[in-house]
Amino acid sequence: DTEVTQTPKHLVMGMTNKKSLKCEQHMGHRAMYWYKQKAKKPPELMFVYSYEKLSINESVPSRFSPECPNSSLLNLHLHALQPEDSALYLCASSQALRGGVGNTIYFGEGSWLTVV
Amino acid sequence: QQQVKQSPQSLIVQKGGIPIINCAYENTAFDYFPWYQQFPGKGPALLIAIRPDVSEKKEGRFTISFNKSAKQFSLHIMDSQPGDSATYFCAASTRIYNQGGKLIFGQGTELSVKP
Repeated sequence: DTEVTQTPKHLVMGMTNKKSLKCEQHMGHRAMYWYKQKAKKPPELMFVYSYEKLSINESVPSRFSPECPNSSLLNLHLHALQPEDSALYLCASSQALRGGVGNTIYFGEGSWLTVV
Repeated sequence: QQQVKQSPQSLIVQKGGIPIINCAYENTAFDYFPWYQQFPGKGPALLIAIRPDVSEKKEGRFTISFNKSAKQFSLHIMDSQPGDSATYFCAASTRIYNQGGKLIFGQGTELSVKP
């Protein structure tokens, strides 16, 4: 079983709603990630946090806002989303090494988001 | 140069067969090559991974073969079972600072193992 826990598992939201996805890991990892996955496609990287600081933003629209309150938690705040943002949102974590992030990345089960 | 090309897109084998999934890359800075298994409705699960200083790695029925000079690597599943039916993604990453968080995925292979 994955040690990266994501909530909620399913979320349906309107285009004017504000909601958040939450992720928690207790493996002592210092790098955490958000990925987006569409059906029958590979995961696409959105954000990387290393030591609670945003390290990589893959030019994600501002309607997605990440937050890393501490080394175990990662949130993704959602606002004014579009129907095409409907996807599986995956949280992941890895050890953070000096000078960069570790390579072994562990994924959570994901949050299925539907925007109506 | 950041791409990882994966083939085939889909694969059907009989139980007990040995499906082989191939991946190729261009970026010589890649130094870590994991394979992920994903069942419908679930997140990707790390299956097995290899670094370029070894040519083969086995874990149970899963084997990665790595050819550094050809910049290719492949996954073999021995004695495949219907429970192995899933989508398999190869990936690559580098420990170069500010790039280490990026897993570059192949496009995925949908494997179906028939009873």
